[in-house]
Amino acid sequence: EAGVAQSPRYKIIEKRQSVAFWCNPISGHATLYWYQQILGQGPKLLIQFQNNGVVDDSQLPKDRFSAERLKGVDSTLKIQPAKLEDSAVYLCASSSLSLPGQGSYEQYFGPGTRLTVT
Amino acid sequence: AQKVTQAQTEISVVEKEDVTLDCVYETRDTTYYLFWYKQPPSGELVFLIRRNSFDEQNEISGRYSWNFQKSTSSFNFTITASQVVDSAVYFCALGSSNTGKLIFGQGTTLQVKP
Repeated sequence: EAGVAQSPRYKIIEKRQSVAFWCNPISGHATLYWYQQILGQGPKLLIQFQNNGVVDDSQLPKDRFSAERLKGVDSTLKIQPAKLEDSAVYLCASSSLSLPGQGSYEQYFGPGTRLTVT
Repeated sequence: AQKVTQAQTEISVVEKEDVTLDCVYETRDTTYYLFWYKQPPSGELVFLIRRNSFDEQNEISGRYSWNFQKSTSSFNFTITASQVVDSAVYFCALGSSNTGKLIFGQGTTLQVKP
């Protein structure tokens, strides 16, 4: 079974530029997550999708970050404009959780995209 | 508020030693889930274990074992006879029973020397 795919693996941009990350979850997984992991810290949830809908985006800086999940499969996370403090690894994860209130299932992570903002 | 604390930032052991990684959590939920993940130098988070709050039985998987104590809000992880390949950052996480969201601790970097 193929794992979670992410691209690109690395990205270097200048501040105020825009960038987009792509994620393809494990086939059949209804729930998709985007996390930000700053060096030396644990991952922090940015946004959670269940199928096409957003379950939690409370920690997404909506003035510059946006995300979408078309057709309940692939997802794109965008930053526009980027700031220096956005330098981090952006992790995508998926789980088989299909409905709210079903509990917390194990999440499977992709390799991440390392973003450097200069 | 929900929180996970991994007080040990870095641990260094010599191969074949046993090592325990501590995890303390805070939550007001009566139903919740606890996880451990491993992040090797390659960077990809690897799922190790999931427990729900109603199951306090300890678990053993090969050289790995987990001790869940609800009374002290702890979910500690022990590696027996550590190996160099165990060198990684280990994260403890608290899962919401409502949304499935994970809240991660800061991680413990384990270095196993030959």
